[in-house]
Amino acid sequence: GENVEQHPSTLSVQEGDSAVIKCTYSDSASNYFPWYKQELGKGPQLIIDIRSNVGEKKDQRIAVTLNKTAKHFSLHITETQPEDSAVYFCAPSMDSSYKLIFGSGTRLLVRP
Amino acid sequence: EAGVAQSPRYKIIEKRQSVAFWCNPISGHATLYWYQQILGQGPKLLIQFQNNGVVDDSQLPKDRFSAERLKGVDSTLKIQPAKLEDSAVYLCASSSGRLEQFFGPGTRLTVL
Repeated sequence: GENVEQHPSTLSVQEGDSAVIKCTYSDSASNYFPWYKQELGKGPQLIIDIRSNVGEKKDQRIAVTLNKTAKHFSLHITETQPEDSAVYFCAPSMDSSYKLIFGSGTRLLVRP
Repeated sequence: EAGVAQSPRYKIIEKRQSVAFWCNPISGHATLYWYQQILGQGPKLLIQFQNNGVVDDSQLPKDRFSAERLKGVDSTLKIQPAKLEDSAVYLCASSSGRLEQFFGPGTRLTVL
């Protein structure tokens, strides 16, 4: 089965700095790569995703990059704000199965 | 558009007792998921429904967990009898046949 690892497990940055979280997966058949954000007391929410035929995707301050050869993808957040503080999960999958395999999460703290 | 509703939000029981969780997905969403999220980990899929049929229940501990989705709308997840290791947040999610999953706020279960 799919083995998913996220690094780092915790990340503390100053407001305005950038944050990068990396996700490594094992199943070369994975072709859908989302990132979910989970705030305290809430369920995860999709913030950005990418498919395997695309190398990078941006949406305002967030971006996802994919290296399918090396089997990893990363979340990039620029100009971080305190409201970006949350736990972030990667969840690579095959789009045919609609089944997400979540990583263990990265706790991001943005210091004002 | 109303989100995924779950109840109760919190539940405390003693080991060997029974407990049930309820989920009402977003209207029109055919696919419904139940996840277990242990503290400090990512969500783990327990069961996936397509309308009222089970698509994947390979990770459901069937000796104590059961789930049903009558009429292809609401769903209940039951644990009987509960063990200490069942303490977790139980998340329900739904999707409309696209890859994005919409999560409810979860039910936090504590087994004493």
